Amino acid sequence: AQTVTQSQPEMSVQEAETVTLSCTYDTSESDYYLFWYKQPPSRQMILVIRQEAYKQQNATENRFSVNFQKAAKSFSLKISDSQLGDAAMYFCAYRSVYSGGGADGLTFGKGTHLIIQP
Amino acid sequence: GAVVSQHPSWVICKSGTSVKIECRSLDFQATTMFWYRQFPKKSLMLMATSNEGSKATYEQGVEKDKFLINHASLTLSTLTVTSAHPEDSSFYICSASGGWTGARHGYTFGSGTRLTVV
Repeated sequence: AQTVTQSQPEMSVQEAETVTLSCTYDTSESDYYLFWYKQPPSRQMILVIRQEAYKQQNATENRFSVNFQKAAKSFSLKISDSQLGDAAMYFCAYRSVYSGGGADGLTFGKGTHLIIQP
Repeated sequence: GAVVSQHPSWVICKSGTSVKIECRSLDFQATTMFWYRQFPKKSLMLMATSNEGSKATYEQGVEKDKFLINHASLTLSTLTVTSAHPEDSSFYICSASGGWTGARHGYTFGSGTRLTVV
């Protein structure tokens, strides 16, 4: 079974600064997907960014980027120019490649609570 | 984009009664639905996976007789908490996959249901 570890229960950053959230995972699979989800106080899960394991290039979505190190099984999220609206719980998630016989659910880390200081 | 509507957003019920939570995909066919449970300030734990027209697959430790899942159509899945007890109080979230595309891009989540059993 796969496991996802987020070692930072809480992080705090000044507005406009850059912050990096860490995530490591354990798997024996060679192909998979990794995601970062944001859960604001409304508790709606919002997809922030995704990475396909077979792609070496790190994914980027505007102010959000990842550092994907497949050999080290590390998948960190960098948020640049932090904004007050970025304050939320951030979850790292793993899922196996869709096999065609039925999709697999996501395995989540425990989350990192991100605080933005004005 | 893909939208998943979850209803009700919150419910209070008496111990011993049953509660039904609905999850609808509004603009796509959800071949697979996932049900998660989230305790306060905790991660999401996958409870079960349901494919349209077939029986749900439950994760280890989840009581299938207590958490009844029905996925009778490509747009509707329901979770019924039977004979609810205070320890069933939690936040329940559904997510849907429209097949290969949905799985590759990350699933769409409902807005969640806060269940309180008194």
